[in-house]
Amino acid sequence: DIVMTQTPLSLSVTPGQPASISCKSSQSLLGSDGKTYFYWYLQRPGQPPQLLIYEVSKRFSGVPDRFSGSGSGTDFTLKISRVEAEDVGVYYCMQAIWFPLTFGGGTKVEIK
Amino acid sequence: DVQLVESGGGLVQPGGSLRLSCAASGFSFSDYYMDWVRQVPGKGLEWVGHIRDKGNSYTTYYAASVKGRFTVLRDDSKNSVYLQMNSLKTEDTALYHCVRDSGYGARDYWGQGTLVTVSS
Repeated sequence: DIVMTQTPLSLSVTPGQPASISCKSSQSLLGSDGKTYFYWYLQRPGQPPQLLIYEVSKRFSGVPDRFSGSGSGTDFTLKISRVEAEDVGVYYCMQAIWFPLTFGGGTKVEIK
Repeated sequence: DVQLVESGGGLVQPGGSLRLSCAASGFSFSDYYMDWVRQVPGKGLEWVGHIRDKGNSYTTYYAASVKGRFTVLRDDSKNSVYLQMNSLKTEDTALYHCVRDSGYGARDYWGQGTLVTVSS
């Protein structure tokens, strides 16, 4: 199984400041079709996860442009350019190149 | 709008069975693959199973932890996907989410989930 390792475990951020989350996979997520099967999700308190970023860097519909994704192969990063109060929650990375789908352990983001 | 509404959760004894349902609306259900993902309250996400469409013979995939005990089914005439859970264990206690596979790998819409508690 592909292991997804997220860091840090938690972040406390002042509103308006940037934040960054890292995710590393144990195997390359680059498919033979040239796509990289890597995703970021945000789970707000009491809500199901919502898709933020797909294929490393593409923002899902309605996702603010302060969220950006980067990386390749096995190393990926989610950046929030200016954290807002509504960004609190747990962020998860996920791979979907092979079954079983696997998720990172999550990064809890809170506001200072 | 895409909506996924799960039902069927509850309290069940170890060794028992339960069938979860997920009613989909707002999209052409038969065209999409579907997943089940579970989450122990306060913990992380664990993928459970996947079902493809009719064109792919409704092929299924399962996590090792549930293979042989859980079955994912779908009824395209009812826009619904199901999770049949047998031989339940205490470690199956979790919130079970129904999730749509976008077709490009992303799991793009999630239901609120239905809580399954396995306890004597």
